[in-house]
Amino acid sequence: GESVGLHLPTLSVQEGDNSIINCAYSNSASDYFIWYKQESGKGPQFIIDIRSNMDKRQGQRVTVLLNKTVKHLSLQIAATQPGDSAVYFCAENPLAGRRALTFGSGTRLQVQP
Amino acid sequence: EAEVAQSPRYKITEKSQAVAFWCDPISGHATLYWYRQILGQGPELLVQFQDESVVDDSQLPKDRFSAERLKGVDSTLKIQPAELGDSAMYLCASRQSGSQDTQYFGPGTRLTVL
Repeated sequence: GESVGLHLPTLSVQEGDNSIINCAYSNSASDYFIWYKQESGKGPQFIIDIRSNMDKRQGQRVTVLLNKTVKHLSLQIAATQPGDSAVYFCAENPLAGRRALTFGSGTRLQVQP
Repeated sequence: EAEVAQSPRYKITEKSQAVAFWCDPISGHATLYWYRQILGQGPELLVQFQDESVVDDSQLPKDRFSAERLKGVDSTLKIQPAELGDSAMYLCASRQSGSQDTQYFGPGTRLTVL
């Protein structure tokens, strides 16, 4: 299949390690943030979201941290598995009511067995 | 599990030809989006519908692109004439109205213009 993001920043981790993917967002007025996972040739898949009134949110093996002071978002994946290999995008909702997302540039995660 | 459906999955066409993409959102989702994703980049919004109405088409190249959602359910995105620079992944997403903000994406249509 065709690759997504041939020239993206790449994070390479060993299977079983924890992964941290970072994202800087642009609009201090954004009130909602989402992390998506995109495998080659597929559409983005929802992972986890967080609202601006929260600092941290946990899901199954994933945690999102939001630092509004420095406009930074991170995705932590615990016990990374080969199936986690993909391109990860953060997205922000910059205009309340508009509800169209603005995506970051993406990070490729490679999990080494 | 409900999903956003798109067709075709792949389309190869020659420049100056017309192409059309179809999207069927998750049942009950009033908001529908078309995004374009160039290789190596994140998706960028082309057009947003609320039911059958366009609420944002500021980034849609209207000289060649058109989109419709006549009955407020499925939607069609058309390009005429296609240009080489239109080669990209075209993604459809949908969202429930109200406080639910999560957008769910379809598998996309990969367009190659020769």
